[in-house]
Amino acid sequence: DSGVTQTPKHLITATGQRVTLRCSPRSGDLSVYWYQQSLDQGLQFLIQYYNGEERAKGNILERFSAQQFPDLHSELNLSSLELGDSALYFCASSVGIEETQYFGPGTRLLVL
Amino acid sequence: AQSVTQLDSQVPVFEEAPVELRCNYSSSVSVYLFWYVQYPNQGLQLLLKYLSGSTLVKGINGFEAEFNKSQTSFHLRKPSVHISDTAEYFCAVSAPNDYKLSFGAGTTVTVRA
Repeated sequence: DSGVTQTPKHLITATGQRVTLRCSPRSGDLSVYWYQQSLDQGLQFLIQYYNGEERAKGNILERFSAQQFPDLHSELNLSSLELGDSALYFCASSVGIEETQYFGPGTRLLVL
Repeated sequence: AQSVTQLDSQVPVFEEAPVELRCNYSSSVSVYLFWYVQYPNQGLQLLLKYLSGSTLVKGINGFEAEFNKSQTSFHLRKPSVHISDTAEYFCAVSAPNDYKLSFGAGTTVTVRA
């Protein structure tokens, strides 16, 4: 158990819908990262927040957005969902900016 | 930007035999290197990391890796595998001031009795 929690574990929805994935970092960690794992693209970095502020952006679609709240939990919002958005979404956290990242168990999203 | 190539997509191995998973990286700056393991239907667990210092890094579950700057490699080894080591292994790289992890495509290790 890494100490990073993600909810829900599984999510099934339809195309065009919007979902919110939630992540609680390890106690004391200020950085949160979001990654997407899909069969065709592998593991890809989406976005990073540090102490409430966006620090880095990767291959995140415009339909996707994220935020980190004052209590340091983070949410990833996916809208206008397409079949290709079906994937495993991981959250990771680290103490600071360059520290080792610890991963949560992931949220498996299935878009039908 | 940094990138990682895992040279083997699948590695079958017999129980108690040694295993080596190959990872090469590309970067124009100094790097941090990681190996993560993903067991079936689970998240990613950190096996070991290289940040600086000794090039031989020991991790959990008997794994170790060696950082070779001249060959830009970070191969993972275990001298004797168990059935429970069956999993997917990911090599990842990051760099100072570029904190995102860039992952390789993964190597599936299947340990047979």
